[in-house]
Amino acid sequence: DGGITQSPKYLFRKEGQNVTLSCEQNLNHDAMYWYRQDPGQGLRLIYYSQIVNDFQKGDIAEGYSVSREKKESFPLTVTSAQKNPTAFYLCASSIEGQGNGYTFGSGTRLTVV
Amino acid sequence: RKEVEQDPGPFNVPEGATVAFNCTYSNSASQSFFWYRQDCRKEPKLLMSVYSSGNEDGRFTAQLNRASQYISLLIRDSKLSDSATYLCVVNEYYGQNFVFGPGTRLSVLP
Repeated sequence: DGGITQSPKYLFRKEGQNVTLSCEQNLNHDAMYWYRQDPGQGLRLIYYSQIVNDFQKGDIAEGYSVSREKKESFPLTVTSAQKNPTAFYLCASSIEGQGNGYTFGSGTRLTVV
Repeated sequence: RKEVEQDPGPFNVPEGATVAFNCTYSNSASQSFFWYRQDCRKEPKLLMSVYSSGNEDGRFTAQLNRASQYISLLIRDSKLSDSATYLCVVNEYYGQNFVFGPGTRLSVLP
């Protein structure tokens, strides 16, 4: 079955450490997205990519970086510059240009210890 | 003004009740509209797309009013399993990112 897979499900980061969250999809979707969700709040866009080797900053890109070397993969690195990284991170994908809904991965819950 | 606003929750309703959620959006050029459901500590899942003519899926009815820039979701005969947060989502341009509302939490009580 096609889908979008995020790993790990839970991640603990020490202060000052970079961590990378994985997102892989086999839906053949062109567009991929990273969102952050804080408790009791809506989703905020971090980065998105509409095509391989291209990506755009979202509303809260500071302290994050991404790459899109393959259509299937869109990893997110949370750098030490992100001062408040504890959150629920959601990756999504969609078919470019057709106004369809997103398909989400099951999320990664990141906690700073 | 926020781009997408929703009814502040939570809504606590008894089983069998009918409940309606409203959502307003600020960009009149918005192209497509969706309702997502998010269970506690889970990812959002597409509940239904919202079409100009209105659409129904079982107990769920979605309506779009472009002139007033609002979207509604009606749930009839509420079930305990309908308890979740309902997210209104607006796609401003085809191919661009979606804008999510903050969500409205529904609790259906026995």
